[in-house]
Amino acid sequence: EDQVTQSPEALRLQEGESSSLNCSYTVSGLRGLFWYRQDPGKGPEFLFTLYSAGEEKEKERLKATLTKKESFLHITAPKPEDSATYLCAVQAPSGYSTLTFGKGTMLLVSP
Amino acid sequence: ETGVTQTPRHLVMGMTNKKSLKCEQHLGHNAMYWYKQSAKKPLELMFVYSLEERVENNSVPSRFSPECPNSSHLFLHLHTLQPEDSALYLCASSQDPRTNRAGEQFFGPGTRLTVL
Repeated sequence: EDQVTQSPEALRLQEGESSSLNCSYTVSGLRGLFWYRQDPGKGPEFLFTLYSAGEEKEKERLKATLTKKESFLHITAPKPEDSATYLCAVQAPSGYSTLTFGKGTMLLVSP
Repeated sequence: ETGVTQTPRHLVMGMTNKKSLKCEQHLGHNAMYWYKQSAKKPLELMFVYSLEERVENNSVPSRFSPECPNSSHLFLHLHTLQPEDSALYLCASSQDPRTNRAGEQFFGPGTRLTVL
């Protein structure tokens, strides 16, 4: 059974204080790992796709990396508008492969 | 309208009511999904439709009945719900679910459902 564990559950940062969110996964063959951002009262918003170990993707202050067992979402010099819940999901390789999500990390960036 | 829209945004219903949730996508995708999001739990996939054919049904109780009349519209018909069914119901769409692009899903804002 595919499993996704995100840590920490919640993270509070000061504006400009860089940090990382972790996503550990267990899947029988990884087709893709996905990061989403969810703001309160809204649906998740797609951020990144990572397909293989060693791959990195960047978008503004966010950088996602992937190893064979986990992914990190690095946040450099965060701003209050980066406050959101960040979700990680994995896609297994077979057939109509659907996503298995983690519970998310709630990030709060204070000015 | 752009992206994925859902109506209503909020719904309060009694356990004996029948109601329907509606989702519409304007992205030209051919797969649509229903998810349930409860506090402190991961997103739970309920149903997947590919080209209007249901291809996934994750052991969802029969009081939830999906309908996909075409590739742009998705409904979730609700009847005889329980209080534990109260949650945020999210609709999403994507490219063909048999491909890598299926993980790049576009979500609607959700319907906040409360069952009394």
